[in-house]
Amino acid sequence: DSGVTQTPKHLITATGQRVTLRCSPRSGDLSVYWYQQSLDQGLQFLIQYYNGEERAKGNILERFSAQQFPDLHSELNLSSLELGDSALYFCASSPGTAGGEKLFFGSGTQLSVL
Amino acid sequence: AQSVTQPDIHITVSEGASLELRCNYSYGATPYLFWYVQSPGQGLQLLLKYFSGDTLVQGIKGFEAEFKRSQSSFNLRKPSVHWSDAAEYFCAALSIQAGTALIFGKGTTLSVSS
Repeated sequence: DSGVTQTPKHLITATGQRVTLRCSPRSGDLSVYWYQQSLDQGLQFLIQYYNGEERAKGNILERFSAQQFPDLHSELNLSSLELGDSALYFCASSPGTAGGEKLFFGSGTQLSVL
Repeated sequence: AQSVTQPDIHITVSEGASLELRCNYSYGATPYLFWYVQSPGQGLQLLLKYFSGDTLVQGIKGFEAEFKRSQSSFNLRKPSVHWSDAAEYFCAALSIQAGTALIFGKGTTLSVSS
């Protein structure tokens, strides 16, 4: 158990809809990262927050947004969903801002867009 | 642009045989390098990391990796594979200059035959 909690584990929705994925980082970790894993693109970094502030941005679509709340949990909002958004979305956390050394991953949210 | 390449999508190894998974990176300077493992339905777990110093790095579960600057490679090895090693393996790189998020290769799926 990594200590990172993601909910829900599975999500099935229709095209055009909006969903929210939630992540609770490990106790004490200030950084939260969101990754998208799909068969064709592999693991793509979406966005990082550190202590409530956006820290780094990757290949995140404009239809997607995220935020980190004062209690350090984070939410990833996906809107106007398309079939191609179906993927496994991972959240990871780390104590500081350079997450490579101590990056802990949740077990992911499997999103299916029908 | 920075990238991490894992040339082998899928590898099958007999139980007890040796294993080598390939990873190449393309960065302006030597990044920090990592290997992660993902078991079915699980998040990613860090196997080992290279920051500097000794080019042969030992990790968990009997894995090791060798950094070769001349080849821009960071290959993962294990002398004797166990059936429980069947999983997906990801090589990743982090460059402080390029940003604070890990860039992952597309992964190599390891199957272990008896």
